[in-house]
Amino acid sequence: DAKTTQPPSMDCAEGRAANLPCNHSTISGNEYVYWYRQIHSQGPQYIIHGLKNNETNEMASLIITEDRKSSTLILPHATLRDTAVYYCIVRVYSRDNYGQNFVFGPGTRLSVLP
Amino acid sequence: DSGVTQTPKHLITATGQRVTLRCSPRSGDLSVYWYQQSLDQGLQFLIQYYNGEERAKGNILERFSAQQFPDLHSELNLSSLELGDSALYFCASSSRPQHTDTQYFGPGTRLTVL
Repeated sequence: DAKTTQPPSMDCAEGRAANLPCNHSTISGNEYVYWYRQIHSQGPQYIIHGLKNNETNEMASLIITEDRKSSTLILPHATLRDTAVYYCIVRVYSRDNYGQNFVFGPGTRLSVLP
Repeated sequence: DSGVTQTPKHLITATGQRVTLRCSPRSGDLSVYWYQQSLDQGLQFLIQYYNGEERAKGNILERFSAQQFPDLHSELNLSSLELGDSALYFCASSSRPQHTDTQYFGPGTRLTVL
């Protein structure tokens, strides 16, 4: 089962910031938070990941609370092409068992409105 | 474009038949993962290979099998197909992990069993 909970759907106005929340209250110290999105039926697209520090890349920012029990993905200027299902996943990194699979929940369906 | 390729894009077949789905990982990636996405189950991990060896198994049926070849491409074989096997099948790849192990997904194969 997925270790995260996300709202099933959200709307965002085009050009505005989209803030997608994720709760992961049982996260362990060695678990990373990953975000992927899936546009229509395309393959999931990697967005960003982090452990405990806030992260930013060309696509988005990831804000992780100090207790690490929740995080927020921020798309700073949402466009219509950002309409997708966004998945928040927690995943252990282990040197002895690297390459573990991702457990996807139902995600948040983000609709960017014109 | 993630760099992961999958063929064919679409496959239509009949119940009881056998099909093979093919995946070529990103250049340099040693790990290949297979996922199934059906309407009622979401994205489900099936199996993982690393450098030719099976590393992890998820909810993969006994009728399904996979392998990874010396050139690192992978094939997923589905036999005795049933109507419920109709789904999107995604392949993902990742490099040998250093700090983290991000998976990059291919565009998928849509299987329709009639």
